[in-house]
Amino acid sequence: KNQVEQSPQSLIILEGKNCTLQCNYTVSPFSNLRWYKQDTGRGPVSLTIMTFSENTKSNGRYTATLDADTKQSSLHITASQLSDSASYICVVYLGSGGSNYKLTFGKGTLLTVNP
Amino acid sequence: DGGITQSPKYLFRKEGQNVTLSCEQNLNHDAMYWYRQDPGQGLRLIYYSQIVNDFQKGDIAEGYSVSREKKESFPLTVTSAQKNPTAFYLCASNRQGGTNTEAFFGQGTRLTVV
Repeated sequence: KNQVEQSPQSLIILEGKNCTLQCNYTVSPFSNLRWYKQDTGRGPVSLTIMTFSENTKSNGRYTATLDADTKQSSLHITASQLSDSASYICVVYLGSGGSNYKLTFGKGTLLTVNP
Repeated sequence: DGGITQSPKYLFRKEGQNVTLSCEQNLNHDAMYWYRQDPGQGLRLIYYSQIVNDFQKGDIAEGYSVSREKKESFPLTVTSAQKNPTAFYLCASNRQGGTNTEAFFGQGTRLTVV
């Protein structure tokens, strides 16, 4: 069964601190993996994409990693800001023949950044 | 601006009524999706469509119906057969035929049964 598991379920940190969110998946055939940020009451927005051949990618204060052998990804946030408070969702795209055709979602990690 | 638009943002429904949620995109995407999001749960797929005039059931299609008469539009009807319709509904779209296509989401519709 295709699954995406995220940990921790929730996380509270102080402003300025770093944190790392985890994503484990059992999805096949794997096409790519994206981390999305979802503010409360809004739609998710993509932060970064990881393809099979990539193992690290940065987008500002966000750095994502991917280990395709162990089927694990992480999202590291540095120097956290109050605006980072949101749910972070790991999404794995199934692919066949080079096309995306289905998305599998994790339940998300709810991050709260306190002043 | 290109994007995906859901309306209304908030919707209230009386028990036994059908309601229709709108989703429109001007991104020229072939594939469109409807998801339901409940507190503490991941997004669950209701229906998806990969081409005009064709759609497939997702994991929780019971009590819902869709149509795809135009590429740009994928409305979702929540019928009276849906026993627990109060939830946050998200529409998404993405381009087919590529390994790195991104799914774009609307801002969601919060449906409440009163």
